[in-house]
Amino acid sequence: AQSVTQPDIHITVSEGASLELRCNYSYGATPYLFWYVQSPGQGLQLLLKYFSGDTLVQGIKGFEAEFKRSQSSFNLRKPSVHWSDAAEYFCAVGFKAAGNKLTFGGGTRVLVKP
Amino acid sequence: EPEVTQTPSHQVTQMGQEVILRCVPISNHLYFYWYRQILGQKVEFLVSFYNNEISEKSEIFDDQFSVERPDGSNFTLKIRSTKLEDSAMYFCATGAQLDRETQYFGPGTRLLVL
Repeated sequence: AQSVTQPDIHITVSEGASLELRCNYSYGATPYLFWYVQSPGQGLQLLLKYFSGDTLVQGIKGFEAEFKRSQSSFNLRKPSVHWSDAAEYFCAVGFKAAGNKLTFGGGTRVLVKP
Repeated sequence: EPEVTQTPSHQVTQMGQEVILRCVPISNHLYFYWYRQILGQKVEFLVSFYNNEISEKSEIFDDQFSVERPDGSNFTLKIRSTKLEDSAMYFCATGAQLDRETQYFGPGTRLLVL
């Protein structure tokens, strides 16, 4: 069955430190890949997406993600975390053949220490 | 920046009652989706809608659920007879004609069924 896994439920990072959030998917072909962020009381905001081409994609708020086909991964990174980055982050995949419905990972909650 | 809006933000209802959740898509978006997130669980796809008909639906989307665009702008999700297990956050998402793979989410409606 198709699935998306975010292995880390919680991550605590110090402000100014780097952050990496893991995402692995299980699909027969390369899906569309997304990262969304959800701040408390807010909806899901799109951070970045990968469809094809350059495997390193840049997003908003200083985030980037790298698609690695061999590892079926799409990890999210930020070199220097700000306190405002405290939120829940969701990896999602979609397939054109599946009507573009998104399948989400379980989310990773990021806490930022001062 | 245009965004998807949803009303109400919160709704409390009695089991067996009908509820209608409303979504106003980003202007010119033609692809519409509903997702839900039960507390502590993953975001799950419910239904996709295009050209006034359902494109795809999940097994969750049974006969108790329906969607429509009553006035060409709003997009609604109706639950005819709510059950306790319908308590969740419901997200609307929309996509543009030329970029249907990318979905933009609203802030969600938190539904509590008592």
